[in-house]
Amino acid sequence: DSGVTQTPKHLITATGQRVTLRCSPRSGDLSVYWYQQSLDQGLQFLIQYYNGEERAKGNILERFSAQQFPDLHSELNLSSLELGDSALYFCASSVGWETSYNEQFFGPGTRLTVL
Amino acid sequence: AQSVAQPEDQVNVAEGNPLTVKCTYSVSGNPYLFWYVQYPNRGLQFLLKYITGDNLVKGSYGFEAEFNKSQTSFHLKKPSALVSDSALYFCAVRSYGNNRLAFGKGNQVVVIP
Repeated sequence: DSGVTQTPKHLITATGQRVTLRCSPRSGDLSVYWYQQSLDQGLQFLIQYYNGEERAKGNILERFSAQQFPDLHSELNLSSLELGDSALYFCASSVGWETSYNEQFFGPGTRLTVL
Repeated sequence: AQSVAQPEDQVNVAEGNPLTVKCTYSVSGNPYLFWYVQYPNRGLQFLLKYITGDNLVKGSYGFEAEFNKSQTSFHLKKPSALVSDSALYFCAVRSYGNNRLAFGKGNQVVVIP
C-alpha cells in the first residue's frame, strides 16, 4: 500500500458527461501528479500541483481540469467525455517539487469507462 | 525534452534465469532515473532510483539497475527471476529542475515456470 488513495475505483458513464476523480496524497507529501494510462498512449503525465498551486502541465486536454485543496487532496475533473477518454487515471504524490529527486508514490487508479 | 525508450515489448525468461529489462534515456543535464513495476489492476510500485554516486543501485525484491552514462542506459536486472516477477515494468527519467517524470512505454515481463 503506497499510502495514496483514489476514489472511485471504477467509474462508468456516458459520452458528454462530467466526472470528478479524487486523490488523497501520502501524509506529508505536498506534490500531487495526475497521469492517464491507456493501451495506445501508454502512461501520460497530465498535470502537477504543489501545495495548492499548479506547477506543470503535460498532455492535458482543455476539457480536463484539476485542483489541489488546502488539505492537499486533489480532484481531476473530466467534462464533455468522449469514448477515447476511457482509461486508467492515476494519482501520485511526492514530498517535493522540481528540485526534489524523491520518487513518486502511485495510487491504485480509477478506471474510467465512457460508453 | 526528456524521453525514455524501452525497446522490447515483452521479455520472456525461464524461472531461475537472469532477468534484464532494457532502458535508454534522453535528457538535458544530469538524469534522475527510476524503475517502477505494475501488477495487473494495480498502481505503479517504486522499485529503485539512480540519483548520483555508485552506478549500480539496488532496490526492492532483489532488483538492481546499472546506470551507464556513456550509453545513456539504465537497465533493470535480477539474478534469478521468479514467477511472481511477471508484471509490467516502467523506466522513467527526469532532470533537475524539471517537474515532469517521463515514462517509457513499459515492458511486459513473463517468467515461465
